[in-house]
Parts: sequence; structure tokens; C-alpha cells
Amino acid sequence: GAVVSQHPSRVICKSGTSVKIECRSLDFQATTMFWYRQFPKQSLMLMATSNEGSKATYEQGVEKDKFLINHASLTLSTLTVTSAHPEDSSFYICSAPLAPRQYFGPGTRLLVL
Amino acid sequence: GEDVEQSLFLSVREGDSSVINCTYTDSSSTYLYWYKQEPGAGLQLLTYIFSNMDMKQDQRLTVLLNKKDKHLSLRIADTQTGDSAIYFCAEADPYSGAGSYQLTFGKGTKLSVIP
Repeated sequence: GAVVSQHPSRVICKSGTSVKIECRSLDFQATTMFWYRQFPKQSLMLMATSNEGSKATYEQGVEKDKFLINHASLTLSTLTVTSAHPEDSSFYICSAPLAPRQYFGPGTRLLVL
Repeated sequence: GEDVEQSLFLSVREGDSSVINCTYTDSSSTYLYWYKQEPGAGLQLLTYIFSNMDMKQDQRLTVLLNKKDKHLSLRIADTQTGDSAIYFCAEADPYSGAGSYQLTFGKGTKLSVIP
């Protein structure tokens, strides 16, 4: 099947720094990608829809200035957690659709100290 | 809006069949999916079914869809210890942008396989 990669897989950073997470569709193009956040033992929470060539669409309650999304090309979307705080520590997962399937990246574990 | 419900836990003995159930509320859903998540990993697409189908079989996996009751199930035959994971049911949002297939997930069912 299609492959979606994420980089980095794990990141530890100090409070106040910014962290960029990349999501790539390796063998297909995606005009739309999705970013999720998953807390321990919970389901995925959709944060935003990344749209190639236009602004991302954020879900209610997600701060767009905190979680910057850039869909630079048809195979790359980035999520930047700005001025990270310990409460931003989580598992972040991206996905990209290849109709009618949705393929997920392996996730990025963020720990903010 | 969409809502997807699943039971949280299921425990079965190795070699038995597992049946994971899911209910959804949006009758306009076009596709329904089952994903598997192992600890610390992303989601692996196991199978999906189009809403005009009743059943889909793929090796050890059988998906049953009762559209009238909005009920979806995943049966795993001859369950193995490697099947231990969290299984998420999801429906595609029919109102999301064309081709985007935005998903609504259930909370996930943790399947524990007893050797």
C-alpha cells in the first residue's frame, strides 16, 4: 500500500522552543493531509486539515498560532509547534488520503521538558 | 454530526475468533474503515468497506455492515497473540472536501489475546 512517513519519530525539547514535524507521502500526491494528536490510551483528535496551496483549516479549540501548518508541496506538510510547553507533549500523527483510503504516518512522539 | 462508538476492551483466547463491534450515526457515510494501532506506532489500515456492501472478507478478516442499524463489525478468525492491539473503527465524512476522506474515529477497542 501507499506509504506516509513522518520525521522525526521522537523529539525532546526544552520549554519555549519550536519543533517542526514533517509528513510526507512517499509514492503518491496529496492535496490534503490531516494532523492528529493522540493522548495516552485515547483516540485520535483531529487538529487541522492541511491544504496544498492554501491555508490550513483548524478544528475548534486548536490554536492556529500555536500549531503552524504549511503544505509546501503535494507530498509534504509540516506542523510546527511554536513555543512548546509541557502540555504540548503528545503523540502527533499525520495522514494523507489516496481515495478511498486514508494512510497514516508512524507518528511523532513529542516530549517538552 | 458524526459519532462512532466502540466497546473499549475485548479479551479472547489464542485460536478463537474475535469480533469487534462499532456503531455510527451518519447514515450518509460512504466508506467505513478498520485500523489497527500497536503501542507507539501509527495506524495501519486493515480493511474498509463501501456503504453499499454487506460483507467483505480478506484472509482472516471479515467485515460485516448492517446499514439499517448503522452497525459495523470486524471478525478476526484464528486470533493470534500478534493481533493484540487497539482497533479503531472510522467513518469517512461525506461532507468533507472531494477526495479528502476526512475520518471520524471511535475511541478504539483494546484487543488482548491470551496465549
